[in-house]
Parts: sequence; structure tokens; C-alpha cells
Amino acid sequence: QSALTQPRSVSGSPGQSVTISCTGTSSDVGGYNYVSWYEQHPGKAPKLMINDVTKRPSGVPDRFSGSKSGNTASLTISGLQAEDEADYYCCSYAGSYTWVFGGGTKLTVL
Amino acid sequence: QVQLVESGGGVVQPGRSLRLSCAASGFTFSRYAMHWVRQAPGKGLEWVALISYDGSSKYYTDSVKGRFTISRDNSKNTLYLQMNSLRVEDTALYYCARGGLIVVDAFDLWGQGTMVTVSS
Repeated sequence: QSALTQPRSVSGSPGQSVTISCTGTSSDVGGYNYVSWYEQHPGKAPKLMINDVTKRPSGVPDRFSGSKSGNTASLTISGLQAEDEADYYCCSYAGSYTWVFGGGTKLTVL
Repeated sequence: QVQLVESGGGVVQPGRSLRLSCAASGFTFSRYAMHWVRQAPGKGLEWVALISYDGSSKYYTDSVKGRFTISRDNSKNTLYLQMNSLRVEDTALYYCARGGLIVVDAFDLWGQGTMVTVSS
């Protein structure tokens, strides 16, 4: 159960787009369409932003989108806003009723 | 409103035990799978355990197997995590999280967490 690989940090200016990658293996990201993304502001609980690779829960802005190619999933945030500055975590179902998270990516809005 | 509230955290010596609770409200608790997820200070999220909607199935990450037990009382809308033989590396903020009506669903509702510190 090794953690999924995410970049430690990404940054972008307001209005720009950023993409955060999440690389796993054929046993997790590549093997199932159960990748989710979570936003976590300092001192706060995580919040679900994307589930099942591409689905946005009710209330999540359509600026957030997800995709997957092979063993790598991606979260794209378009029209970057100051409030998007947070840590982002990917998570994948890894079979046998277990889950694995990525190490997290700190998004800085310049 | 729809929420999860954890309790039971604290400071404990290595080798001792602790039981965490998670009180659910605002939704039909008995229909959902539930999870525990932890976050060590300054670190990322780590999935810990899953329990099915009716408590009949339980699964754990390898590092806690044989030491932690997840359980639930649907009559009290409460999730539990019994933690035995605690280790320093179990120090973390423990979140309960709601799974879905389908076991592989994402974690769509989180509590605020309860801190567990294992130290001599």
C-alpha cells in the first residue's frame, strides 16, 4: 500500500489554470475508476471535490475537473481564485476494500 | 444538520489503549459504510479502516491490523475505533468519514477530527 505520487507544490496566478497529477499503479489508479480528490484548508477537515475520476459533487464549482490516463489521474482547476489556495489530496480504491492517498500537493495562488 | 463529530482523543503512553467515537446526525447512518482516516502532524492523509453499513464487514490498513478494531452501533448512530497496543507512529488527527451507499464510494462527509498523541 504505497502512497500515490503527487507533486509537493504547484502555483498559479488568479484566472490561470493549474493541473495536479497523481500517479499510482495498475493495482490502484490504473485498475479502478474510483479516484477522488480532496481539498484541505489549514486546520480544516478535507472536502470532497471530485469522485469517480470525473464527477463533481453538488456544490463544487465547475472550475474543478478530473481525468485519468493509465496509472495517472489529474485534477485541473481553471479560473484560479485566491480561495483555491489549499492542500489537495488524491485517493484511489486499491482493491480488497482498501484505499490509498497521495502525499498531497500545496497549491499557492500567486 | 448533516455532520460527524469525533471524540475520545488524548495523550496516551505507548502500549496503552484508547477508544474513539464518531457521532453522526442529519442522515440515515445505518445506510452508509463508514471509514476512519488519520493525518499525522504536518503529514498527508492515510486511510485506516472501513466498516460496512451493517457492521458485518471490516477492513484495515496493514499497519493497524490486529491492534485496531472498527465497530458501529446503528441504534446510537455512532462509529467507534478501538485502538490497542498504541505506538508512537499512531500519533495523528483521526477523522471519521462517510463512505457511500456503495462501499467503494468516495468519502463525502468528514468530521473535524480528534487528536491522538502517543508519547511516553
